[in-house]
Amino acid sequence: DGGITQSPKYLFRKEGQNVTLSCEQNLNHDAMYWYRQDPGQGLRLIYYSQIVNDFQKGDIAEGYSVSREKKESFPLTVTSAQKNPTAFYLCASKRGMNTEAFFGQGTRLTVV
Amino acid sequence: AQSVSQHNHHVILSEAASLELGCNYSYGGTVNLFWYVQYPGQHLQLLLKYFSGDPLVKGIKGFEAEFIKSKFSFNLRKPSVQWSDTAEYFCAVRGGGSYIPTFGRGTSLIVHP
Repeated sequence: DGGITQSPKYLFRKEGQNVTLSCEQNLNHDAMYWYRQDPGQGLRLIYYSQIVNDFQKGDIAEGYSVSREKKESFPLTVTSAQKNPTAFYLCASKRGMNTEAFFGQGTRLTVV
Repeated sequence: AQSVSQHNHHVILSEAASLELGCNYSYGGTVNLFWYVQYPGQHLQLLLKYFSGDPLVKGIKGFEAEFIKSKFSFNLRKPSVQWSDTAEYFCAVRGGGSYIPTFGRGTSLIVHP
């Protein structure tokens, strides 16, 4: 089945540690996105990538980094510089401009 | 900058009540409009979408939405809600030459049996 896989579903980390969230898609989509979901704030864009080896900052990129070395994969690293990293992280992909985005199951990150 | 406003943050209804959730966006030009739903513990799923054509769009599970260009609105409706419609609903808009969909803050819907 085609889709987007995020792993792990739940992640716990100590404050000050970097952590990488995985996002893999087998939909052959060019564009991939990372959103952060917080209660009452909807989905806010962290980073996006329209094509392999290229990515751009979204609205709340500070404290995050990404890479796009393969079309299928768009991992997100939450660095120790992110002041409030505990959140639900959603990865999405899209084929082109006039199409809808497909979402993964999300990763709930808790930093203690 | 693109912005999407969802006016109802929390809605509580009884089963069989009618539902209308508001969505307005800030920019003109050609837009793609979406409503997504997130059931408890599940991922975001597309309810319906509008790209062009008939401004009244029918989606899954009896939902529909109407695109009113003059009002920059894309309100979601359902004539009779069910307990299983309890979820968070997100409006999203893509437009202005951008590839990126912008999401509203979401509306939490609770339906009492």
